[in-house]
Amino acid sequence: QQQVKQSPQSLIVQKGGISIINCAYENTAFDYFPWYQQFPGKGPALLIAIRPDVSEKKEGRFTISFNKSAKQFSLHIMDSQPGDSATYFCAASMNPGNTGKLIFGQGTTLQVKP
Amino acid sequence: DAMVIQNPRYQVTQFGKPVTLSCSQTLNHNVMYWYQQKSSQAPKLLFHYYDKDFNNEADTPDNFQSRRPNTSFCFLDIRSPGLGDAAMYLCATSSGLAGVHTQYFGPGTRLTVL
Repeated sequence: QQQVKQSPQSLIVQKGGISIINCAYENTAFDYFPWYQQFPGKGPALLIAIRPDVSEKKEGRFTISFNKSAKQFSLHIMDSQPGDSATYFCAASMNPGNTGKLIFGQGTTLQVKP
Repeated sequence: DAMVIQNPRYQVTQFGKPVTLSCSQTLNHNVMYWYQQKSSQAPKLLFHYYDKDFNNEADTPDNFQSRRPNTSFCFLDIRSPGLGDAAMYLCATSSGLAGVHTQYFGPGTRLTVL
C-alpha cells in the first residue's frame, strides 16, 4: 500500500514530441505528489509537484495531470528537448510528524533524440 | 545561494574500512535525510533526523549510522563497508513545517568499495 508504481521504465521521444510518464498509488493518505529530475552523477532536483485538490498543474513545458479517483498521476513534457534527457522519478508523500517521507517510483529514463 | 552540500563528491574505501560522508545545509531546515541510490534504482531512504530526533528505517542495516551535531551538519558513517555498499549516497533536507513536503537534494557522494 506504500508503493508508487511508475511506467514506462524507459522512453525514447523525438525532439519536439510529447513525453508522458505515468504513476499509480494505493494509499489515499498521500497528499503531495512531486516529480524529480535526475541527471547522471547528480542529485534529484524537484521539477514540479501537485496536491490532490487540483487536477492539473502546469509550469512551462511540464504539466502534471492528477486523477484522484483513479489514484493516478502523470507527467507530460511538451516540446521535448535533448536537454530533457534524464531520469524522472515520481513520488508520493504524507506528512505525519512533519517529516514528509517520500515514496519514490521506480524511475523512467527519458532519451530525447535530436 | 542556499543549498545542500556533500563532501566528498567521490570516496574510495577498502572493504571493511570505516568511512564517513558529510552533508551540510544553509537552508536552516529542520529535517535531514540520507538516501542510498544504486545504479538504475530509485533513492532508498536510510534514516532521517527531525531536529535531533533520529528515525531509522526498519530495513537499514546496523552497518549504517548517522550523527547530526547541529542543524547544519549531518554525517553518514559506514562502519564496515562491503562491496554491496557501493552506491551514490544522497543527502536531502526539508523544512519540517506542517504541510511543506519539498525535499532538496545535494549532489551526492559516489562511494566505491575496493
